[in-house]
This record gives sequence, structure tokens and C-alpha cells, in this order.
Amino acid sequence: DTAVSQTPKYLVTQMGNDKSIKCEQNLGHDTMYWYKQDSKKFLKIMFSYNNKELIINETVPNRFSPKSPDKAHLNLHINSLELGDSAVYFCASSQRNRPYEQYFGPGTRLTVT
Amino acid sequence: SQQGEEDPQALSIQEGENATMNCSYKTSINNLQWYRQNSGRGLVHLILIRSNEREKHSGRLRVTLDTSKKSSSLLITASRAADTASYFCATDPLSYNTDKLIFGTGTRLQVFP
Repeated sequence: DTAVSQTPKYLVTQMGNDKSIKCEQNLGHDTMYWYKQDSKKFLKIMFSYNNKELIINETVPNRFSPKSPDKAHLNLHINSLELGDSAVYFCASSQRNRPYEQYFGPGTRLTVT
Repeated sequence: SQQGEEDPQALSIQEGENATMNCSYKTSINNLQWYRQNSGRGLVHLILIRSNEREKHSGRLRVTLDTSKKSSSLLITASRAADTASYFCATDPLSYNTDKLIFGTGTRLQVFP
């Protein structure tokens, strides 16, 4: 009965590769987010989608492309991975009228070698 | 940077003691929240306090908000080893018209049995 799930949990890959992280929520929420948490635990929003529509797009390299096939899924595709992309990526979701109460997935630890 | 700051960065206490964490932020807000992150896990929403509230309680948690000082504190009373985690404040800035939360840098709490 996992509320927000992400796959994979760990991802180790080489520079230059392309990879995807998947996120699914079964809470019936209509807003989903991607966050990046760096090695200093600083958590920063990357993207937000509401009903498959892009709402927030922070200053993120265009190598990062989110895709929302439906409101329960928000995937993150990363092209040409770089060492600096190594971080933990969290997916989150919320109700549109309660964006301040976000439910987080367990995270995907990406290591680029 | 809109990033909030928390202090202390790390806190170690014995079970049964109280733990107090502080958060400062930079802009006027709609509300402020506290999240907990256990090691290797996603964030869990703990409590929300609105800008027109000064204090809020939830179980062993007590949150205060001083909008004139742009600061908040989280008090955990009678701490338990299971409270060991990182605690983050997150603000919903008044100036933003999107569902964007600004997270603080976090306080790592260690509770020794």
C-alpha cells in the first residue's frame, strides 16, 4: 500500500549515459514533484506537474526532462549524465488545494562514475 | 538564495530529554512546515503552522512561529531513540504563485538510548 513509490532505489551509471527514474503515487493526488537532494542534504525542487501540465520548472539543465503520462505518474529522464548529477532524487505528490502538504517517495540514489 | 537555515546543524541528546530546533527564513510566507527524514528515506510531513498562528501542538511536537523575526522552532518533548532523524523546515513563500516549497538545510538529531 505504498503511497509514493520510485524505481529504482539505487542507480549507478557512467558519465554520458541516459537514464530514467520512475515515480508513481496511489494517493489520488493531482500534483507531483521532483526534488534533488545533494550531499549536504540541501533539498531543492526541480519540477512540478499538475494534471500532466508542467507548473514549475526551476533552473535545471535541459538534459533533465520530466514526463507525466497521467496524473499518477511522473518520470524523470536524464540525458548525458554528468558527475554533478550524483544526488538523491525524490518524487513527491500533493493535492492541488494543499500543495504545502507533500508526500515523498523513498528516493533514488543516483551515482554517476 | 531563498533557502531557509536551521540551527543547530546537528544535535545529540539522551532519551527523555527535549530537543529544540530552529529555522529562519527570508521572505514573507503563507505557512511553514516541518518534515522529518529518516536515514535513507523520504521526507515525512509532521506539522504545518499558518502565518497567522503563533503556536501549534501535535502529540510530542510543539511548533512556534514568529513572523516578525522570520523564524520558527520545533520542540520535541520526551525524545525517543526513534526520533533520530533529520528535521527540515519548509516555507510556502507569499510572493510565489506556484506550489513551491523552500526547504531549510536541516538539523540532524541523534537521540541516544
